[in-house]
Amino acid sequence: EDQVTQSPEALRLQEGESSSLNCSYTVSGLRGLFWYRQDPGKGPEFLFTLYSAGEEKEKERLKATLTKKESFLHITAPKPEDSATYLCAVETSYDKVIFGPGTSLSVIP
Amino acid sequence: EAQVTQNPRYLITVTGKKLTVTCSQNMNHEYMSWYRQDPGLGLRQIYYSMNVEVTDKGDVPEGYKVSRKEKRNFPLILESPSPNQTSLYFCASFPWGNTEAFFGQGTRLTVV
Repeated sequence: EDQVTQSPEALRLQEGESSSLNCSYTVSGLRGLFWYRQDPGKGPEFLFTLYSAGEEKEKERLKATLTKKESFLHITAPKPEDSATYLCAVETSYDKVIFGPGTSLSVIP
Repeated sequence: EAQVTQNPRYLITVTGKKLTVTCSQNMNHEYMSWYRQDPGLGLRQIYYSMNVEVTDKGDVPEGYKVSRKEKRNFPLILESPSPNQTSLYFCASFPWGNTEAFFGQGTRLTVV
């Protein structure tokens, strides 16, 4: 069965304390892996797409990496405005997009 | 401005009273999808559409209907809502190739 899991469920960091979020997937053929940010009461906002193992994408304090079984979202020196829920999603070879449950990140000043 | 517009944003209704949540996108995207988001369960796909007049069931289609008569619109219809359909609903549109998804602002539905 196709599945996307994320860990940890919640993460609390001090401002400036770097860390990583994990997205693990088991799917029948990966077309792409996506990361989104979701603020409370709002729709998810696109961050990155990764297509193949070894690929990396960066945006400000965020860097996403991809292996054959998982993806990491690295957050370097986070700020309070990085607090949000981070969602991972996988597109399968049969045109289905499956979302993980998300990691809720809180960055404390 | 590229956007996906959902209406209404908030809706409280009673069991069995038919309702429609509208979704419209202005980016000429082929692929559109409806999701529901529940605590601890993440985003679950209800229905999706790869183009006009083409719709397919997602993971949780029971109790829902959709239509895609025009490329820009993808309404979600609840013929006889029940309390277990109380949730936060999102519409999304994707350009061809399913890369960056654009999400609407969400519709918070409560069925009493």
